[in-house]
Amino acid sequence: ETGVTQSPTHLIKTRGQQVTLRCSSQSGHNTVSWYQQALGQGPQFIFQYYREEENGRGNFPPRFSGLQFPNYSSELNVNALELDDSALYLCASSFGGLAREQYFGPGTRLTVT
Amino acid sequence: AQSVTQPDIHITVSEGASLELRCNYSYGATPYLFWYVQSPGQGLQLLLKYFSGDTLVQGIKGFEAEFKRSQSSFNLRKPSVHWSDAAEYFCAVGAPNNNDMRFGAGTRLTVKP
Repeated sequence: ETGVTQSPTHLIKTRGQQVTLRCSSQSGHNTVSWYQQALGQGPQFIFQYYREEENGRGNFPPRFSGLQFPNYSSELNVNALELDDSALYLCASSFGGLAREQYFGPGTRLTVT
Repeated sequence: AQSVTQPDIHITVSEGASLELRCNYSYGATPYLFWYVQSPGQGLQLLLKYFSGDTLVQGIKGFEAEFKRSQSSFNLRKPSVHWSDAAEYFCAVGAPNNNDMRFGAGTRLTVKP
């Protein structure tokens, strides 16, 4: 059984640029949720994808967008990066949507300068 | 919407001592409750979960938690702490009818030799 993987591990971007983060879900899971974890804080829910459709969204602006592919892997895209977007971005996979048992990847550390 | 509070930002215990980390939630019905652990620079690992049934839940690494509806609490306990337990601990609450999992701000555990 393969766990949740994320790429890249780290990246540095400049304010105003765009970034794409990737997540491969755990085998057998059809749901991917994305979270933003700022330094010293708990993860905050960005959105969830279930069967390739957005299935709920937290309090994040539209410049945060996503995609889920037929193999249930997912991308998080952030446009017009701001300094406050610097954070650890976590992907979690689960089965069946809803806020049930989720398995997290190691995260992508994004630094915006 | 549901919410969760972890009253203790930082706790220090001696190796071999018992541990209790506090978690209080806000939700109108029976929530889904989770404890996760995060080592520095890592993703979150699920320690245990509560959906329904027995209010005392056993998890991995010797941890347990007790759901107390009357106190809206889900405290995490371990009878004897090991140095390797030093990490950040997050309590999270989900609801049966949505996909928005809310995390507390976390409690950082330091273990003294």
